[in-house]
Amino acid sequence: EVQLVQSGAEVKKPGESLKISCKGSGYSFTSYWIGWVRQMPGKGLEWMGIIYPGDSDTRYSPSFQGQVTISADKSISTAYLQWSSLKASDTAMYYCARQGVLAATPFGYWGQGTLVTVSS
Amino acid sequence: EIVLTQSPGTLSLSPGERATLSCRASQSVSSSYLAWYQQKPGQAPRLLIYGASSRATGIPDRFSGSGSGTDFTLTISRLEPEDFAVYYCQQYGSSPPNTFGQGTKLEIK
Repeated sequence: EVQLVQSGAEVKKPGESLKISCKGSGYSFTSYWIGWVRQMPGKGLEWMGIIYPGDSDTRYSPSFQGQVTISADKSISTAYLQWSSLKASDTAMYYCARQGVLAATPFGYWGQGTLVTVSS
Repeated sequence: EIVLTQSPGTLSLSPGERATLSCRASQSVSSSYLAWYQQKPGQAPRLLIYGASSRATGIPDRFSGSGSGTDFTLTISRLEPEDFAVYYCQQYGSSPPNTFGQGTKLEIK
């Protein structure tokens, strides 16, 4: 069974750094693209970027390029989303989701979400 | 970047009725790489339709997708109580970003 298990909720202050995780199981982690999706409170879904853990090929939305870093550690089947300096506007639910073996595939499996709250 | 516009923003219907949701793209979506997702409150989205018209595993056949180019439709033939949720379309065929529409809320009338 394919599963994506995300790290727990975080409460941070503006300017702090953060790295959240998404552990995949039940499939070959290195063979499928994994992406991150932001959902701000009461709002819609925003595609942030994707990574292919097999070779760390990473593609970002222009809206998030330079604002976050997506990475993966294939030795522990885990993808990451990190910020170097959080802003209050980063407060949102963040979902990881798995695509297929090709970049042009939809998100067929989703994690449970990680709620990030940034407040002074 | 392809912009997806969903309509209506909110659709109020009763159980048993037919729902028709629209997704229009600002430019042609290559190879019909268009997906539909359902999201219920407090839950992650769930893939319903991919390739514009193929149902994902386990999705009931009352859900169907159609369209090509710039105009796509999700139809729910006969609404069940559990179908009231927010629906998003997404294109995934062009260079990043693989954008989402803004969503249609399907509510009970």
